[in-house]
Amino acid sequence: QKEVEQNSGPLSVPEGAIASLNCTYSDRGSQSFFWYRQYSGKSPELIMSIYSNGDKEDGRFTAQLNKASQYVSLLIRDSQPSDSATYLCAVRNTGFQKLVFGTGTRLLVSP
Amino acid sequence: DGGITQSPKYLFRKEGQNVTLSCEQNLNHDAMYWYRQDPGQGLRLIYYSQIVNDFQKGDIAEGYSVSREKKESFPLTVTSAQKNPTAFYLCASSMGGTFQETQYFGPGTRLLVL
Repeated sequence: QKEVEQNSGPLSVPEGAIASLNCTYSDRGSQSFFWYRQYSGKSPELIMSIYSNGDKEDGRFTAQLNKASQYVSLLIRDSQPSDSATYLCAVRNTGFQKLVFGTGTRLLVSP
Repeated sequence: DGGITQSPKYLFRKEGQNVTLSCEQNLNHDAMYWYRQDPGQGLRLIYYSQIVNDFQKGDIAEGYSVSREKKESFPLTVTSAQKNPTAFYLCASSMGGTFQETQYFGPGTRLLVL
């Protein structure tokens, strides 16, 4: 079992729709969770971080965390073609600063 | 402007050659990291350093070496022992010290083998 799992996609949504990206993790003691966006050929940029169960909203983005189910998700409302990218889920393992990354989900937003 | 710089943007390595990738940050971060990204794969940790003059191996350290002589700098050397070095190399830094601290990435160096 991979430590952090994401569906590779692509996830295709029409412009204006809600995109839902999902991530599961294996270390039950993980405390911090991050979503990064990576455009093709570029480096990852941080979108959201979440540390407590529940929802955290920032503009069009909402991160959701359920530690009991070991599940974290990212919702993108009113999706735009400029949101087309690969979204990486990263989890900080118990006891250390190391981040473990999923392989990413590719999102395609069509006009 | 505060940030992380990596150079060069593209690097070509001949067989048997060692090459060094530069990473500099002016964010006053204590911790620095090197990752490798291959197509269709996530980021894999090569080496990390939590403080000057100290560093630890990550998951795929074989064929790589690092130094941390200054807080601002964390160069990565890809040695001839690394048989499949073609990849996108990413340097990151963070404040360190808490589980909430965030890693920020440089623009990356793409290494190609001639």
